[in-house]
Amino acid sequence: DQQVKQNSPSLSVQEGRISILNCDYTNSMFDYFLWYKKYPAEGPTFLISISSIKDKNEDGRFTVFLNKSAKHLSLHIVPSQPGDSAVYFCAARGSRGGSNYKLTFGKGTLLTVNP
Amino acid sequence: DAGITQSPRHKVTETGTPVTLRCHQTENHRYMYWYRQDPGHGLRLIHYSYGVKDTDKGEVSDGYSVSRSKTEDFLLTLESATSSQTSVYFCAISGYSNQPQHFGDGTRLSIL
Repeated sequence: DQQVKQNSPSLSVQEGRISILNCDYTNSMFDYFLWYKKYPAEGPTFLISISSIKDKNEDGRFTVFLNKSAKHLSLHIVPSQPGDSAVYFCAARGSRGGSNYKLTFGKGTLLTVNP
Repeated sequence: DAGITQSPRHKVTETGTPVTLRCHQTENHRYMYWYRQDPGHGLRLIHYSYGVKDTDKGEVSDGYSVSRSKTEDFLLTLESATSSQTSVYFCAISGYSNQPQHFGDGTRLSIL
């Protein structure tokens, strides 16, 4: 049972345009969400996060939106740059309790930004 | 970058042999994790540690064991490697349970 879903395996956008990566989750106990970026032959790098008490968090060109009622979050990258080309993973963490430090990851979305 | 070193970075071995992967951190972080990444599966948690000698299972722990005898080192052992354990293995650390995890650069393991 996949609790965190990234339904788009890949996304291609033009440099300078907006990239929107989507993520859905099924577990209502998740209360903290993260996005990681991964280049080939490297480990994932933390990008941005959002707590369930917020609906938006912004960091430079990156903004994450959370819609709790829809159990949906999205990552917006504006403007997109060729260096943003990577695999993006959505991850979620459970609420307080024994599992509050375990992350559940989606399968990832490969973003390609074309010059 | 977080001070995380995984060794070896690449390994090829045969079915049935024991394999140990090492994760070494210089951040003095309490929490350490082992994940595997496979095509079509994303990252899946194998085992994690919340302190020296304190470890627990993740979602894909069968066939793996771990040990943490000191804060800086977290070892992942495949007692008898199988071809299904061919994967890329990532170690991650975090200082507190509510902090983002930071990852090492991975170990590519091939079991023939």
